[in-house]
Amino acid sequence: DAMVIQNPRYQVTQFGKPVTLSCSQTLNHNVMYWYQQKSSQAPKLLFHYYDKDFNNEADTPDNFQSRRPNTSFCFLDIRSPGLGDAAMYLCATSRDYAGKASYEQYFGPGTRLTVT
Amino acid sequence: GDSVTQMEGPVTLSEEAFLTINCTYTATGYPSLFWYVQYPGEGLQLLLKATKADDKGSNKGFEATYRKETTSFHLEKGSVQVSDSAVYFCALSDLTGNNRKLIWGLGTSLAVNP
Repeated sequence: DAMVIQNPRYQVTQFGKPVTLSCSQTLNHNVMYWYQQKSSQAPKLLFHYYDKDFNNEADTPDNFQSRRPNTSFCFLDIRSPGLGDAAMYLCATSRDYAGKASYEQYFGPGTRLTVT
Repeated sequence: GDSVTQMEGPVTLSEEAFLTINCTYTATGYPSLFWYVQYPGEGLQLLLKATKADDKGSNKGFEATYRKETTSFHLEKGSVQVSDSAVYFCALSDLTGNNRKLIWGLGTSLAVNP
């Protein structure tokens, strides 16, 4: 089945120690998103890639970076995690070709990040 | 700007009760509308969608109708089960700028008791 996969499902890191979360997809969607979600609140968009074009949200801290080496994979790097960065991180994909977007996003299971 | 307003939770129901979760929106143009569900400890799943006025989205016994005149997209289910306990998010496609984004409601937590 086509899907969005996130690894690991649970990640524990130390305060200030860089951490990378990964996302892969078999949907062949050209748009990939990273969200942060705390305590079943609405997900907060951090950034997204439209093909190779990176689109950062204005309020995303510089501590958060992303890489997309190819269509299938996308990484979230947190350079110096703080206690406030403990959250669920969700990866999502959507399809948007030639201006014809399907708008709906497909989510992975999420990675729950704990900062100690 | 565009926005989504959902009824506040938590909502607690007994099994087989009727469910309504209200969602209203403010938008320029004609966005697509979505309901997502999030089960405990999991990611969000698309539950249903509607792309134009009077469309009815349906899935797993849930329904929602895109009402342009009342700018609403209320989620309904005739008989809830314990397994429906989850958080439900209403969302719309952002047409004002980058239409690759979704605008989210705050979510409504549903607990169904046996």
